[in-house]
Amino acid sequence: EDQVTQSPEALRLQEGESSSLNCSYTVSGLRGLFWYRQDPGKGPEFLFTLYSAGEEKEKERLKATLTKKESFLHITAPKPEDSATYLCAVQTPSGGGADGLTFGKGTHLIIQP
Amino acid sequence: ETGVTQSPTHLIKTRGQQVTLRCSSQSGHNTVSWYQQALGQGPQFIFQYYREEENGRGNFPPRFSGLQFPNYSSELNVNALELDDSALYLCASSPRPGRGDGYTFGSGTRLTVV
Repeated sequence: EDQVTQSPEALRLQEGESSSLNCSYTVSGLRGLFWYRQDPGKGPEFLFTLYSAGEEKEKERLKATLTKKESFLHITAPKPEDSATYLCAVQTPSGGGADGLTFGKGTHLIIQP
Repeated sequence: ETGVTQSPTHLIKTRGQQVTLRCSSQSGHNTVSWYQQALGQGPQFIFQYYREEENGRGNFPPRFSGLQFPNYSSELNVNALELDDSALYLCASSPRPGRGDGYTFGSGTRLTVV
């Protein structure tokens, strides 16, 4: 069974204080790893896709990296508007369908001014 | 270009009742997936529809069923509601199956079963 574990569950940072969120996975064949951002009362918003170990993607203050066992979402000099829950998901051949994603529980990030 | 629209936004039902949730997919998207997100959890895959046929299913019982219409909109039906069905139900559309990075999620329907 595919498993995705995110840590920490919650993280509180000061504005400008850089940090990293972790997503470790155990899957039978990875087709893709995805990072989403979810604001309260909203659906997840797509951030990045990573397909192979060593791959990196960047967008503004966010950078996602991938190894064979885990992914990191690095947040550089965060601002209060970066506060959200960050979800990691994997897509595998056994994902229950053409592309049923398996999500972690998320990391609830709070950036204090 | 419109996004994914879900209705209703909130719903309260009694245990044992049936419920229908609706989703209008983003323009140009022919694939719709449904997810259940319990409080404090990540979304869980229920099923996916592509060209009006169920294209894959997660670990949910048969009382969770769906439809997709010729305009690619979709319904999620849940029979014999249980208290544990209380959750945020998310619909996601994509241009085609097999591309998780093509997902556009709606804001969800918050279902409370009492």
